[in-house]
Parts: sequence; structure tokens; C-alpha cells
Amino acid sequence: EAGVAQSPRYKIIEKRQSVAFWCNPISGHATLYWYQQILGQGPKLLIQFQNNGVVDDSQLPKDRFSAERLKGVDSTLKIQPAKLEDSAVYLCASSTTFGAAKGAFFGQGTRLTVV
Amino acid sequence: AQSVTQLDSQVPVFEEAPVELRCNYSSSVSVYLFWYVQPPNQGLQLLLKYLSGSTLVKGINGFEAEFNKSQISFHLRKPSVHISDTAEYFCAVSDPGSSNTGKLIFGQGTTLQVKP
Repeated sequence: EAGVAQSPRYKIIEKRQSVAFWCNPISGHATLYWYQQILGQGPKLLIQFQNNGVVDDSQLPKDRFSAERLKGVDSTLKIQPAKLEDSAVYLCASSTTFGAAKGAFFGQGTRLTVV
Repeated sequence: AQSVTQLDSQVPVFEEAPVELRCNYSSSVSVYLFWYVQPPNQGLQLLLKYLSGSTLVKGINGFEAEFNKSQISFHLRKPSVHISDTAEYFCAVSDPGSSNTGKLIFGQGTTLQVKP
């Protein structure tokens, strides 16, 4: 079974530039999450989708971050304009159920460096 | 709101020695508890989870964890570690209640450094 795919693996941009990350969840997983992991910290949820609808985006900085999940499968996360403090690993995860019992399956992440 | 505290930021240990990584969470209400491992430059992999029932749960790679409701803890243990266990370990909690969305609240992580 293929895992959660993310691209790119690494990205370096200058502040005020824009960047986009892509995620393909495990086939059949209706729930998709984007987490931000700042160096030395645990992952923090940015946004959660159930199919193509947003369930929770309370921690998403909406003035600069946006995300979409068209057709309920792939998802993109965009930052525009980027700030230095956005340097982090962006993790995509997916799960089969609308709930917590099974845990989530994570991709390898995209490491963003803003200079 | 739930929070998770991992009591040790780094745990150095020699190969074949036992190890315990400590985790406390903020509320005694019913929760789901998880341990994830993150090898260097990789994503998170689920080690084990507690949903209900037996307080001792066994996971992959010889790890186990014990749920202690009175101490609101979920410590991770392994009786004999290997060099390959060197990684970052995250404790996480999820709310199984009516507003259950599957959102995970993570601790800040513990770096396990296994020395030869």
C-alpha cells in the first residue's frame, strides 16, 4: 500500500516569496491533515479536511496561508508571502475515519527554509 | 484544551539498556493516547496507541506503554534499545468525544540517543 506522498522534500525561498506544497493521501482516506513542525517542537495542526470540506482551520494564519483539497483527494498548501518564522517542516497526514481511533498516517514532510 | 508534556527533551542511553520516555497530558477525561517515532529527516510513524481496555499496550519494534489515569501519564518503555532506535519520539493525545475530529495534540518531543 502506498503511503502519503508529499513534494517537494525541501524548499528554500526568500522572505515575501510564495511557495506551495503538494500532498497525495493514502487511497481511500477521507480525512487529510496539514501540520506545521517548527524545529524543536511537536507538530501543530494547521488545517483538516474531510473529503473536500474544511473541518478545522482555527490554527491556520489565513492572512498568508491557504489550502485546498479539490475533488477530495490531493491537497495543496500555499504560503504567500512567506515570513522567516514560517521555516518549518510541513507534514501531511491522512486517516480512514472521521475520528481519532486509528491515528493518522504521515508523509515524509516538506522542509521549508525562508531566508 | 488538552496539552501534552514530554518531561525529557533528550534521553541518552547505551545500546541494550532499558529506556523510559515520559509523557503527561493535561486532563483526566477520556482521551486516546499515541506514541509516534520520527527517524531523522523522515515523517512520523505510529508506534502504539491506547484507546481503552488494558492499560499496558504493546507496539512495534519492542516498545510498550502504560496508561495511568490517576497520574495522567502514558510513559513509553523498551527493555533493550538498539542503535536503530535513535530518533525523535512524540506523545500525542486526541479527544474521542462528540466533537471528535481526529486532531492530534503533540508534545514537544524527546530525542532518544542510543550510544554504542
